[in-house]
Amino acid sequence: QKEVEQNSGPLSVPEGAIASLNCTYSDRVSQSFFWYRQYSGKSPELIMSIYSNGDKEDGRFTAQLNKASQYVSLLIRDSQPSDSATYLCAVNPTNTGNQFYFGTGTSLTVIP
Amino acid sequence: DAGITQSPRHKVTETGTPVTLRCHQTENHRYMYWYRQDPGHGLRLIHYSYGVKDTDKGEVSDGYSVSRSKTEDFLLTLESATSSQTSVYFCAIRPDRGDGYTFGSGTRLTVV
Repeated sequence: QKEVEQNSGPLSVPEGAIASLNCTYSDRVSQSFFWYRQYSGKSPELIMSIYSNGDKEDGRFTAQLNKASQYVSLLIRDSQPSDSATYLCAVNPTNTGNQFYFGTGTSLTVIP
Repeated sequence: DAGITQSPRHKVTETGTPVTLRCHQTENHRYMYWYRQDPGHGLRLIHYSYGVKDTDKGEVSDGYSVSRSKTEDFLLTLESATSSQTSVYFCAIRPDRGDGYTFGSGTRLTVV
């Protein structure tokens, strides 16, 4: 079983809609969770981090964490064509600086 | 960018030759990482470092070695390149406390 699972997509949403990206993880003691955005041919860019159960909002982005269900999600409100990218979920099991485990990413296309 | 650079950006090399990739940071972070990214596999950790001369293996370390003689530089060496090592290689840094990685721009390596 992979450490971090994401639906590879592609996920297509119309401009202005809410895009919902999901991620599950297998390590119950994971403490830190991150969402990265990666444009084609570019490096991953950190967009959200979340450490506690519940929601965390930053502009149009909301990260949601449910540790009991081992589930983390990213909502993008008012999706824009510039949000078209691959979104990577990352989990840090111990928050000690050791390795992150990454999902394979979900490809999002926002249709104008 | 956040003070992390990788070199070279692109390289084509022949099977059996040694190759060294360089990661340089100006952030004085203790933690540095080398990942490779391949379609269908996502980002996988090769090696990481938690200080000068302190390194450890990741999940795909076979055929790779690393060195860190200075805080700012983390070198990845392919001892004898094989076609299976054709990939995009990312270096990442992380501060001691908290948040996620910052990635370099990546090196696209082709082994022919």
